[in-house]
Amino acid sequence: NAGVTQTPKFRILKIGQSMTLQCTQDMNHNYMYWYRQDPGMGLKLIYYSVGAGITDKGEVPNGYNVSRSTTEDFPLRLELAAPSQTSVYFCASSPLGTSGGVFYEQYFGPGTRLTVT
Amino acid sequence: AQSVTQLGSHVSVSEGALVLLRCNYSSSVPPYLFWYVQYPNQGLQLLLKYTTGATLVKGINGFEAEFKKSETSFHLTKPSAHMSDAAEYFCAVSDRYGGSQGNLIFGKGTKLSVKP
Repeated sequence: NAGVTQTPKFRILKIGQSMTLQCTQDMNHNYMYWYRQDPGMGLKLIYYSVGAGITDKGEVPNGYNVSRSTTEDFPLRLELAAPSQTSVYFCASSPLGTSGGVFYEQYFGPGTRLTVT
Repeated sequence: AQSVTQLGSHVSVSEGALVLLRCNYSSSVPPYLFWYVQYPNQGLQLLLKYTTGATLVKGINGFEAEFKKSETSFHLTKPSAHMSDAAEYFCAVSDRYGGSQGNLIFGKGTKLSVKP
């Protein structure tokens, strides 16, 4: 199993350009998440999805959009790239969130390093 | 709102020395608690977690953490550091009663260096 895969690994964008960060998981997980990691700031949740067709905002959703048409894929779209979106982006998945007092582990992809200049 | 504080953005220890990485959370209700490790240019990997039961939790690679409700802390320790432990460590919490999404709130991270 590949687990959680992300493409591309690196990308440089010019201000105002758009792009889609791809995330795919092969574990049949219902829940998927997008985080951004800025130096010295930890990870912050951008969007999450609890199943195909269902998405919701996290802590820092402005400037991003997501869709979840299949269980496997959870792409993150940047419509008008800004320097403030320079970051490392991580996708994660888990079978469920919490259920019956059990917290299900999130499995992380290797990340996409994005620079906007 | 939940928050997580990790004391020390950088910690340096000698090989064989005790590793102690500090984490405090703010919540009136004890949340679920986690430690993740991130090796250079890789994603995050779960080290250990506390959800319920025994307050001393053992994880992978010889790490353990103790949940102390009275101190709202969840410090990570390892008795003897190894060179391969050099990485960035993140403490995270998830609201126990805030819904079933399993959203994590991360601390800012502590970079651990191990000197030979």
